[in-house]
Amino acid sequence: GENVEQHPSTLSVQEGDSAVIKCTYSDSASNYFPWYKQELGKGPQLIIDIRSNVGEKKDQRIAVTLNKTAKHFSLHITETQPEDSAVYFCAASRTNRDDKIIFGKGTRLHILP
Amino acid sequence: KAGVTQTPRYLIKTRGQQVTLSCSPISGHRSVSWYQQTPGQGLQFLFEYFSETQRNKGNFPGRFSGRQFSNSRSEMNVSTLELGDSALYLCASSLGSSGQETQYFGPGTRLLVL
Repeated sequence: GENVEQHPSTLSVQEGDSAVIKCTYSDSASNYFPWYKQELGKGPQLIIDIRSNVGEKKDQRIAVTLNKTAKHFSLHITETQPEDSAVYFCAASRTNRDDKIIFGKGTRLHILP
Repeated sequence: KAGVTQTPRYLIKTRGQQVTLSCSPISGHRSVSWYQQTPGQGLQFLFEYFSETQRNKGNFPGRFSGRQFSNSRSEMNVSTLELGDSALYLCASSLGSSGQETQYFGPGTRLLVL
């Protein structure tokens, strides 16, 4: 079945440095790739998404890149801040509303002072 | 607009009991999905309801069931609880008209089975 692999499972970076989280997906028909951030005690919240007709998307310190040929996509956070500490989930889905979204297992990001 | 709400927020049960969790989606959203979150396993999809019908189902045993009401509110039920059912149960709502919609998650119900 469809699968999304996410790496690393844990990531520690110095405040101000960049963080990169990578995901690969198995379903070549996937064309929507959202990223969610889950803070302690809360449910995941969408932070950025990308569709298959776009190779890169940026929103302030956050950017996502997509390589459809290789079936992988990445989240880049620059100039990391303490409030970036959280668990991040990547996901993949198709356009069809009857297809479920598949999540990666998450990356716990620690921003070190 | 009010967000997704889940009740109760915390629950302690013993093995063999059953439990019902409730989720109220964002107004206007017709799709409600349920996930089980455990350390190391990420978000495991349970099922999705749309217009009172189950539209998708994950790989969980029949002890896990759900339903959706005409106002889009949803409940999930777990019967004959096992220790391994201890987890954070999240629900997420969306409009339900395509696979490229943002899912809005509630804060979750943390279930502890003793």
